[in-house]
Amino acid sequence: EAQVTQNPRYLITVTGKKLTVTCSQNMNHEYMSWYRQDPGLGLRQIYYSMNVEVTDKGDVPEGYKVSRKEKRNFPLILESPSPNQTSLYFCASSLGTGASSHGYTFGSGTRLTVV
Amino acid sequence: GEDVEQSLFLSVREGDSSVINCTYTDSSSTYLYWYKQEPGAGLQLLTYIFSNMDMKQDQRLTVLLNKKDKHLSLRIADTQTGDSAIYFCAERGTGGFKTIFGAGTRLFVKA
Repeated sequence: EAQVTQNPRYLITVTGKKLTVTCSQNMNHEYMSWYRQDPGLGLRQIYYSMNVEVTDKGDVPEGYKVSRKEKRNFPLILESPSPNQTSLYFCASSLGTGASSHGYTFGSGTRLTVV
Repeated sequence: GEDVEQSLFLSVREGDSSVINCTYTDSSSTYLYWYKQEPGAGLQLLTYIFSNMDMKQDQRLTVLLNKKDKHLSLRIADTQTGDSAIYFCAERGTGGFKTIFGAGTRLFVKA
């Protein structure tokens, strides 16, 4: 089944403890992206990647890192999480880097709480 | 910068039509999308419209695009309780590097 898989689904952590949220897609998509969803703010883009070893900042990149060593994986790293990073995170991928009728395929989300 | 705006809530009765509206600012948008998010799930692409189209119909869904006013709407005919969800409008420009989402419209369907 074509899908984007994120892990974990739920995570509670303490301030300052490094964490990684994994994202993997099995559709050979070139483009991958991370979003955070907050009430009343919709989805805001954190980072995106157009292909292996090519990443760029989205609208809210502060406090996050990403890497794209393989086409299928795009982990999100929080080196020193803070409470304002408590949010619902989504990984998404799409075929190609241009706008197309395909849109995004989204993962199921990771609910992160930083205390 | 680019922005996409939607009203936050809409309540309709089962069997009525729902109309969800969206405005956007990026005139270079090539594709405009509607996504649906059910509770506890990720977003799913519902439908899309290319910027040189005025209307697209797909079963119970009708998308209308007024490019001059940068206004997009999604009409759901014969709304069912299973249509209760959050609906996101999104636009992706020519470069395709970023997709801008609205804040989402929560649709409540009363039985």
